[in-house]
This record gives sequence, structure tokens and C-alpha cells, in this order.
Amino acid sequence: AQSVTQLGSHVSVSEGALVLLRCNYSSSVPPYLFWYVQYPNQGLQLLLKYTTGATLVKGINGFEAEFKKSETSFHLTKPSAHMSDAAEYFCAVWDSSYKLIFGSGTRLLVRP
Amino acid sequence: NAGVTQTPKFRILKIGQSMTLQCTQDMNHNYMYWYRQDPGMGLKLIYYSVGAGITDKGEVPNGYNVSRSTTEDFPLRLELAAPSQTSVYFCASSGDRGGSGNQPQHFGDGTRLSIL
Repeated sequence: AQSVTQLGSHVSVSEGALVLLRCNYSSSVPPYLFWYVQYPNQGLQLLLKYTTGATLVKGINGFEAEFKKSETSFHLTKPSAHMSDAAEYFCAVWDSSYKLIFGSGTRLLVRP
Repeated sequence: NAGVTQTPKFRILKIGQSMTLQCTQDMNHNYMYWYRQDPGMGLKLIYYSVGAGITDKGEVPNGYNVSRSTTEDFPLRLELAAPSQTSVYFCASSGDRGGSGNQPQHFGDGTRLSIL
């Protein structure tokens, strides 16, 4: 069965610093991988996804993620954090039986 | 463009009461999902539907029921509310299987439910 592990329930960075949110997956088949963002009191929004093709995926708001099969990782990065990036971020892997399996989430704090 | 609409946004129930959480989408999506979100636990799938008249259990279905009589609506029913069901509930829809293709899962803003 597929699973997702997000390392670090909280990550704190200074404004302008690099953002790195870690995600490792377990999958018995080639995975479809997703990053979602959740702002306070809102639902989840898709940031980016990897299905096939290029392993470096660009998403909205300047985020990108790289699929590394050898490391079973799909880490999310952004070169320069902005205050508006403060939110909770979820990594997810598609389970072939119509479902997304979510990680436990990482809350990003951005210090002025 | 409304997307996925959930009602109510907040609700407090007493133990043993019942209620229905409403979810409707206007995107003509076949696939719909109910999740619950507990602090530090991510999202857990309760039930899902692949089309009108077809539903199936997810990871944590106990204590809940669903129906899917139309493409647009996917209500979630709590029959005997218990404190363990205190959570934030999200409904989502997708135009394809699990959002794996060009169409991601679209989420509502959630229903915050407290059982006291």
C-alpha cells in the first residue's frame, strides 16, 4: 500500500530564505505525487503534481518539487520565502483505487 | 464559479445527536470524497464515490454514512455523534481518478464540527 511521510511537523524560515519541505513516499507502482497547500480556515489547493515526464515540476507561487525515484522523495522548495507562504503543506500520493493518501502535513512559519 | 460548497461551516452537537453535512459541486465531477482532518494527522478518507449511485468506504468509515443520488450532491451523515468525531470535515471532487490526471481534487472550505 502507498504511504507518505513528511519530515517535520513545523518548519520556520526567515522571509527571503530558502524553503525546503520534505516528503518521502512508499509505492509499489510508479507514483503520482502531489503537493497541496492549506491556508487558515480554508480547504486544500493544489500546488503542483508529478505524474510522468520531467522530474522537476513547477507549481504556483514560485514553488517547485523534484521527483527522485532512487531516494523515494518529492521535496518541495522555493528559493525565497514570502510572508504569504505561511500555511500548512501536504504531500500526497495517488492510490490506484481512486484515492489520495496524504501525509500528516508541515506547517510553514515565515519570520519577518 | 462556486466549485465545492459545504454547509454548515460550523456546528456543535451533543453526544448521540445526528446530523448531515452537505456537499455540492457545480463542476459535473464524477468523483467525490469526504475527509476528516485532525491536528497533526493529515487527512483521512471517510467515504468516496465514483459516480451517482456508487459509494465505497475509505480509511475511517465507522460512524458515518453517505449517499450519492445525483452527480452534484454527496452528503455525509453522522447517526450517533461521539466525541471522537470532533474534527474538521472536507469534501472534495475530481473529474478523474483521484486527481491523477490533468484535473486535481477540488476542496470545499470545510465544516468544523464539535461533539460535546
